Amino acid sequence: AQSVAQPEDQVNVAEGNPLTVKCTYSVSGNPYLFWYVQYPNRGLQFLLKYITGDNLVKGSYGFEAEFNKSQTSFHLKKPSALVSDSALYFCAVRPPGSSNTGKLIFGQGTTLQVKP
Amino acid sequence: KAGVTQTPRYLIKTRGQQVTLSCSPISGHRSVSWYQQTPGQGLQFLFEYFSETQRNKGNFPGRFSGRQFSNSRSEMNVSTLELGDSALYLCASSPGTGVVGTEAFFGQGTRLTVV
Repeated sequence: AQSVAQPEDQVNVAEGNPLTVKCTYSVSGNPYLFWYVQYPNRGLQFLLKYITGDNLVKGSYGFEAEFNKSQTSFHLKKPSALVSDSALYFCAVRPPGSSNTGKLIFGQGTTLQVKP
Repeated sequence: KAGVTQTPRYLIKTRGQQVTLSCSPISGHRSVSWYQQTPGQGLQFLFEYFSETQRNKGNFPGRFSGRQFSNSRSEMNVSTLELGDSALYLCASSPGTGVVGTEAFFGQGTRLTVV
């Protein structure tokens, strides 16, 4: 079965420090991977995606993610965290063979808390 | 370019009633997907409509249904509401065709409370 795991319910980091939010996936073949962020009582905002090519993907608001095929991981990173980065982060996968469909499989989400 | 619009933003319904939620996708997008978000189950895929046809379906009971109109606007209906249907319902819009791997754009959601 296809699945996405975010092993940490919450990540705490001090402002100015680097942050990492972890994501691993389990799908057959080459997946399309996405990161979204959700602020309270809001919908999801797209941050970045990996489709093919360079394993390091850069996205919005200074975020980047590293695709690691051997470890089936797609961790979200940022060199210097801001208090305003505090939110709920979701990793998602679009299964292989569904390149243009709207179906996404989401992880459970990780709450990022950045303290001043 | 206008984003994805979901109406209403908030709804309170009684058990046993039915409810209809609406989603207007980004202009030119032909795919509309629906998701249910709850604290316990997270984000779960309900179904996707593309060019007025259901293209994908998640594991939800038949009480959950949807449709898409010729202008790509979509509605989702839940009949015989249960307390467990209380959730944030999110709609996502994407082109549905063309460039591989395009991201989906989400609306702000409809918060449904069943009492």
